Amino acid sequence: IAGITQAPTSQILAAGRRMTLRCTQDMRHNAMYWYRQDLGLGLRLIHYSNTAGTTGKGEVPDGYSVSRANTDDFPLTLASAVPSQTSVYFCASSPGTSGREYNEQFFGPGTRLTVL
Amino acid sequence: GQNIDQPTEMTATEGAIVQINCTYQTSGFNGLFWYQQHAGEAPTFLSYNVLDGLEEKGRFSSFLSRSKGYSYLLLKELQMKDSASYLCAVSDSNYQLIWGAGTKLIIKP
Repeated sequence: IAGITQAPTSQILAAGRRMTLRCTQDMRHNAMYWYRQDLGLGLRLIHYSNTAGTTGKGEVPDGYSVSRANTDDFPLTLASAVPSQTSVYFCASSPGTSGREYNEQFFGPGTRLTVL
Repeated sequence: GQNIDQPTEMTATEGAIVQINCTYQTSGFNGLFWYQQHAGEAPTFLSYNVLDGLEEKGRFSSFLSRSKGYSYLLLKELQMKDSASYLCAVSDSNYQLIWGAGTKLIIKP
């Protein structure tokens, strides 16, 4: 693989169920991010990780958790899904830890999640 | 608060020129990014400005005025494949990206 992959591509989920969205990158990038994108609202940061073993909260972290056990993987977990979490979820990564290299982000193809 | 403003939608004709504006109010400034996003796909990096002035890259150019909190993306010789959303994002004082909602560009033949 080259770049960032996400799984699943799409998912329909019953409210209250637990769900993990997977993200893997093979570029050895330090930083990784999870965004949600909703119509008219643009990209909103959920959680981020500047390096393996560390994570931080973004703009909309409630209801989501992440882990960064190694450089390549950054899964996002919805502990108990609610309909307001219906969205397109993008994982992204960037090579650096500061400056332009931190902000120039490479995106995965996205996961379209519907919570009923 | 921090915010990025860009027009919701623009229409232009194939072969023409279009300018997409972005104004921002952020706590600090560490660069401005433009991304392109085709429908149903991921955003991809287009340009980066950190100093005032124009950056040119082929048919695309991006301009920045830090004193005015203003940027624009200029697309020349428009092609049908340029139909996409264009996202403006600003890196704030903590190097967090603040994203605009995006401008949907519709190209007509």
